[in-house]
Amino acid sequence: EAGVAQSPRYKIIEKRQSVAFWCNPISGHATLYWYQQILGQGPKLLIQFQNNGVVDDSQLPKDRFSAERLKGVDSTLKIQPAKLEDSAVYLCASSRRVSSYNEQFFGPGTRLTVL
Amino acid sequence: RKEVEQDPGPFNVPEGATVAFNCTYSNSASQSFFWYRQDCRKEPKLLMSVYSSGNEDGRFTAQLNRASQYISLLIRDSKLSDSATYLCVVNLESGGSNYKLTFGKGTLLTVNP
Repeated sequence: EAGVAQSPRYKIIEKRQSVAFWCNPISGHATLYWYQQILGQGPKLLIQFQNNGVVDDSQLPKDRFSAERLKGVDSTLKIQPAKLEDSAVYLCASSRRVSSYNEQFFGPGTRLTVL
Repeated sequence: RKEVEQDPGPFNVPEGATVAFNCTYSNSASQSFFWYRQDCRKEPKLLMSVYSSGNEDGRFTAQLNRASQYISLLIRDSKLSDSATYLCVVNLESGGSNYKLTFGKGTLLTVNP
């Protein structure tokens, strides 16, 4: 079974530029998550999709971050414009369904550096 | 109070040592609990779930005390390959039958030869 795929793996941009990340979850997984992990911290949930609908985006900075999951499969996360404090690893995860014992599978992440 | 707090670490132990990680969580309505492992510059991976009765997987033992809102992970006979960051994770129902994982900051373990 193929894992969660993400691209690009690394991205360096200057502040105020735009950037987009792509994620393809494990086949058949209805739930997709985007996390931000700042160095030395645990992952923080940005947005959660159930199929192609948003179920939680309470921690997404909506003035600059947006995400979509068209057709309920792959997803993109965009930052526009980027700030220095957006430097982090952006992790995508998926799970078969949402439950009290759901296991989330993470992709390798995209390491973003904002200069 | 942070939602999930872990020992700050780092922990440096010799091979064969026993090491214990502690974690507390603030929301008593939390539903389920996990330990994830994250290798350097890699993604987190589920290590084990944590049950009230305690559970063991080889050299790893996890314990949950709901009354104290406390979770622990014990690693016996530590190996070089156990070197990683250990993340305490709490699953909380966030409304509408939705659940959200909240991660602690992680505790870095280095096992030395």
